Amino acid sequence: LAKTTQPISMDSYEGQEVNITCSHNNIATNDYITWYQQFPSQGPRFIIQGYKTKVTNEVASLFIPADRKSSTLSLPRVSLSDTAVYYCLVGEEYNQGGKLIFGQGTELSVKP
Amino acid sequence: GAGVSQSPSNKVTEKGKDVELRCDPISGHTALYWYRQSLGQGLEFLIYFQGNSAPDKSGLPSDRFSAERTGGSVSTLTIQRTQQEDSAVYLCARLRGAGANVLTFGAGSRLTVL
Repeated sequence: LAKTTQPISMDSYEGQEVNITCSHNNIATNDYITWYQQFPSQGPRFIIQGYKTKVTNEVASLFIPADRKSSTLSLPRVSLSDTAVYYCLVGEEYNQGGKLIFGQGTELSVKP
Repeated sequence: GAGVSQSPSNKVTEKGKDVELRCDPISGHTALYWYRQSLGQGLEFLIYFQGNSAPDKSGLPSDRFSAERTGGSVSTLTIQRTQQEDSAVYLCARLRGAGANVLTFGAGSRLTVL
């Protein structure tokens, strides 16, 4: 199982771009990288997923280098409502699930 | 879209009592996961089901914890002889069909053991 390491916390200001990097040195060939966002008193929700290179959706971008040993979640122009905990998850086989272990997450605090 | 329903949303119990937490993945017939989240902490993996089978039970904290799933759908997490350290939010998630390992979480069951 690929273990993930993220910064415990990050601070930012409204309007800035925030980049959160996750390390997963022993990622396997079949593993995908998925990021989740969790607000207080809610379950985590899916943000973005990728396998390699760059993925972009309406919420964020995900950058994955060629060796796939790390990934960076990029949040453009954050607002106060982006204050949350962000989790990086490296998972096994497509649609098979397996034992999905979350890292400790990064608590992002966005200030006015 | 299909979500995950958990009940009860809040449960307060006395130390030593048994509790049952329920998860309904609504769309059914998909992998189902249980996690525990203590106050201010991350997500602790407990158990997952493929169909009605749990391939890996090593995440369960002790033998007071058990889980079952019937009909490939609803799952119940049972905690016997609850202790104060069991107080946490218990989250259930189903594996969403599109994409690898995309989990859809329920709102959780908040357990408080007095």
